[in-house]
Amino acid sequence: DTGVSQDPRHKITKRGQNVTFRCDPISEHNRLYWYRQTLGQGPEFLTYFQNEAQLEKSRLLSDRFSAERPKGSFSTLEIQRTEQGDSAMYLCASRPTWLAGPYEQYFGPGTRLTVT
Amino acid sequence: AQTVTQSQPEMSVQEAETVTLSCTYDTSENNYYLFWYKQPPSRQMILVIRQEAYKQQNATENRFSVNFQKAAKSFSLKISDSQLGDTAMYFCACNAGNNRKLIWGLGTSLAVNP
Repeated sequence: DTGVSQDPRHKITKRGQNVTFRCDPISEHNRLYWYRQTLGQGPEFLTYFQNEAQLEKSRLLSDRFSAERPKGSFSTLEIQRTEQGDSAMYLCASRPTWLAGPYEQYFGPGTRLTVT
Repeated sequence: AQTVTQSQPEMSVQEAETVTLSCTYDTSENNYYLFWYKQPPSRQMILVIRQEAYKQQNATENRFSVNFQKAAKSFSLKISDSQLGDTAMYFCACNAGNNRKLIWGLGTSLAVNP
C-alpha cells in the first residue's frame, strides 16, 4: 500500500491552456473522488467514480472540466481553456466499498494549479 | 443538503495544554459519519478521528477525542497535551448517502505555541 499519488504536484499554466492531472488511488480501492480546495477554504466535491463509472458530478464541474477513469484504476482530470478562477489545489481521494463501515477517504498530496 | 460549520477560523494553544475545536453539521440522512481531518502546512490531508452517527460512545484516538452530541448536531474535537506537530488546519467533514462524498467545513487553523 503506497498511498494515493497525484501528478504533477505543481502546475503553472497560462490562461487559455489545457491541463491534465493524474491520480493513482490505493490499489483495489474502487471509489475515487476529486475535490477542489481554494486558499483558506475547505475542499469542495467535484466528482466521483465507482470503478470506471462516473456516478456524480458537482455543478462546480463546468463543461471545461472532464474526468475519466478508463480502467477503474487511475483517473485523470482535465481542464480546458483554463481561467484564473481555476487556480486551486485539486485533491484526489480513494476508499474501498467492499466492506461496510465508515471507511475514511485516503487523500493524495494534491496538485496545486496556478493560472497566470 | 448537508452543511458543516466551523465557527473558529483560528485558534492557538500552548504546548501541553488542551484545546477544543467546534463543529456543527446538518443532514437529513439517518446514516452518516463524521470525521476530523488534519492538513499540516504544505502537506496532505490525513484522518484524525471518525465517528459513526449510530454510536453513542464518543470516539477516542490517543490524545484526540470527540464530543458528539447528536441531538444538537455538534461534533467537537478535543486535543489533549497539545504538541508542536499538531499545528495544522483542522477540517470537520460529514458524509452520508450512497455516494459518501464528504461535505467540509471551512476549517480551523490551529497554532500550537512552545
